[in-house]
Amino acid sequence: QLQLQESGPGLVKPSETLSLTCTVSAGSISSTSNYWGWFRQPPGKGLEWIGNIYNSGSTFYNPSLKSPVTISVDTSKNQFSLKLNSVTAADTAVYYCARQAHYGGSMFDPWGQGTLVTVSS
Amino acid sequence: EIVMTQSPATLSVSPGDRATLSCRASQSVSSNLAWYQHKPGQAPRLLIYGASTRAAGIPARFSGSGSGTDFTLTISSLQSEDFAVYYCQQYDNWPPITFGQGTRLEIK
Repeated sequence: QLQLQESGPGLVKPSETLSLTCTVSAGSISSTSNYWGWFRQPPGKGLEWIGNIYNSGSTFYNPSLKSPVTISVDTSKNQFSLKLNSVTAADTAVYYCARQAHYGGSMFDPWGQGTLVTVSS
Repeated sequence: EIVMTQSPATLSVSPGDRATLSCRASQSVSSNLAWYQHKPGQAPRLLIYGASTRAAGIPARFSGSGSGTDFTLTISSLQSEDFAVYYCQQYDNWPPITFGQGTRLEIK
């Protein structure tokens, strides 16, 4: 059964870059036409979509995000990554990665367990 | 951007009873609506897609209905493991993909 695991620093300083990686196991990231997504949940708030990436490298991002975002994929490592530049305290959140569900449409399943990133000096 | 509004914010229900959660879209999303269950410290879990189709492995006590702008998630005969936060998500018109703010289902 496909599994996803987020990893990266738990503490990032304001104005620096937040970098996270999602490692896919029990399946190949390139063996499917599904796309992959990043999400976050700020403390006490709901889920927010950050962006999607296809195996081809095509990306879609949430235009509401204030910090510049880059999502990339490394098929050789079976990973995809998130970079959020010039972060502020508002970027403190639990970050999740997920795969587009295989039913078609932009719903997601499975998800990773999430990783907490705190932006603080 | 399509805004998703869930109600109520918190719902207190006794085990064995029925829970009804609502989700409203700011414009029609047809049937392109998903529901997720999220427990603290765990990965969100897809329950329903296409407004009414259960994802693989989801118990039959979970059912979804609605189309256009108004949707409902019903959990019949609540089990202890069902107490969690539930989110609706539209995927009709994106970017951005948008979620409701969540309904916390708690034990009464």
